[in-house]
Amino acid sequence: GENVEQHPSTLSVQEGDSAVIKCTYSDSASNYFPWYKQELGKRPQLIIDIRSNVGEKKDQRIAVTLNKTAKHFSLHITETQPEDSAVYFCAAPRNAGNMLTFGGGTRLMVKP
Amino acid sequence: DAMVIQNPRYQVTQFGKPVTLSCSQTLNHNVMYWYQQKSSQAPKLLFHYYDKDFNNEADTPDNFQSRRPNTSFCFLDIRSPGLGDAAMYLCATSRDLGTRSEQYFGPGTRLTVT
Repeated sequence: GENVEQHPSTLSVQEGDSAVIKCTYSDSASNYFPWYKQELGKRPQLIIDIRSNVGEKKDQRIAVTLNKTAKHFSLHITETQPEDSAVYFCAAPRNAGNMLTFGGGTRLMVKP
Repeated sequence: DAMVIQNPRYQVTQFGKPVTLSCSQTLNHNVMYWYQQKSSQAPKLLFHYYDKDFNNEADTPDNFQSRRPNTSFCFLDIRSPGLGDAAMYLCATSRDLGTRSEQYFGPGTRLTVT
């Protein structure tokens, strides 16, 4: 089965700085990598995802990069704002791509 | 507008007393999932339905059951809750199976076992 490891578990940055969260996965057949943001007491929401046919995807201040050879992918948030404070989860598919395995989460704190 | 609705938002039950959590969706999605999320941990998949087909995760305890009477509703039944079952329970839906379409999560039901 898929094993997804996420680092760091907590990350504190100053407003305006960049934040990077990294995930590694074990199943070389994985081809879809979403990132979810979960604010305190709220539901996880998809913020960006990437498929294995591209190496990078951007959406305004957030970007995801994928290195299939090394089996890792990263979330990059630039110009961080206090509202970016949340727990971020990466995920990767398992079992022939049907179900997602989530990473352990990263608590991001953006200090004003 | 709420797309995935969970009721109740907070549920308190006694040790060993059966409890049912409910999820409904207005998206007409084929797939519905139940996740268990304990404090500061990742959501853990318990089971999912693809239409009427039920799929149980290998490590989901027998204590947890699910029903999907129609496309819109899905229930999580915990037959004899233990203290270790206290958690947030998240329902999610997707149009198709996990990697082909986005999963939409409900707000969760926080279960307390006394």
